[in-house]
Amino acid sequence: EAQVTQNPRYLITVTGKKLTVTCSQNMNHEYMSWYRQDPGLGLRQIYYSMNVEVTDKGDVPEGYKVSRKEKRNFPLILESPSPNQTSLYFCASSLGRSTEAFFGQGTRLTVV
Amino acid sequence: GIQVEQSPPDLILQEGANSTLRCNFSDSVNNLQWFHQNPWGQLINLFYIPSGTKQNGRLSATTVATERYSLLYISSSQTTDSGVYFCAVEVYVSDYKLSFGAGTTVTVRA
Repeated sequence: EAQVTQNPRYLITVTGKKLTVTCSQNMNHEYMSWYRQDPGLGLRQIYYSMNVEVTDKGDVPEGYKVSRKEKRNFPLILESPSPNQTSLYFCASSLGRSTEAFFGQGTRLTVV
Repeated sequence: GIQVEQSPPDLILQEGANSTLRCNFSDSVNNLQWFHQNPWGQLINLFYIPSGTKQNGRLSATTVATERYSLLYISSSQTTDSGVYFCAVEVYVSDYKLSFGAGTTVTVRA
């Protein structure tokens, strides 16, 4: 089944403790991206990648890192999480520009 | 950046009713998608529709790209249709991003 898989689905962590949210797609898509969703602010892009080893900042990249060492994986790294990074996170992938994007199930992160 | 406006912001329906959701955008787009966010937070693809009309069961969508709007029709609504409906567009520039509207919250009552 074609899908985008995020892990974990839920995470509660403490301020400053490094964490990684994994994202994997099995559709051989070139493009991948991360979004966060916050009440009143909607979905905003954090980072995107148009190919292996090619990543770029979205609208809200501060406090996040990403890597794209393999086509299928695009992990989101929070080196030192803070409470303002409490949010619902989505990974997405698409074949290329102007093609249908598919989203993962979401990761609900709480930083205390 | 591009502005994406959805209306109405909230919609309450009786089961079996029909409804129309609207998405206006401020610039030419290369991609337009409709999503349904269910009560568990998952974003479900409904339509990839940069132009034209598509139908999938009780749902259909129309995008008039030249006039910069898209419509999502829900017919014979069911309680499982409840949730938030998002329109998202992509503009062809140097970056790659879907810009989302604020969503329409639909509540279908039995």
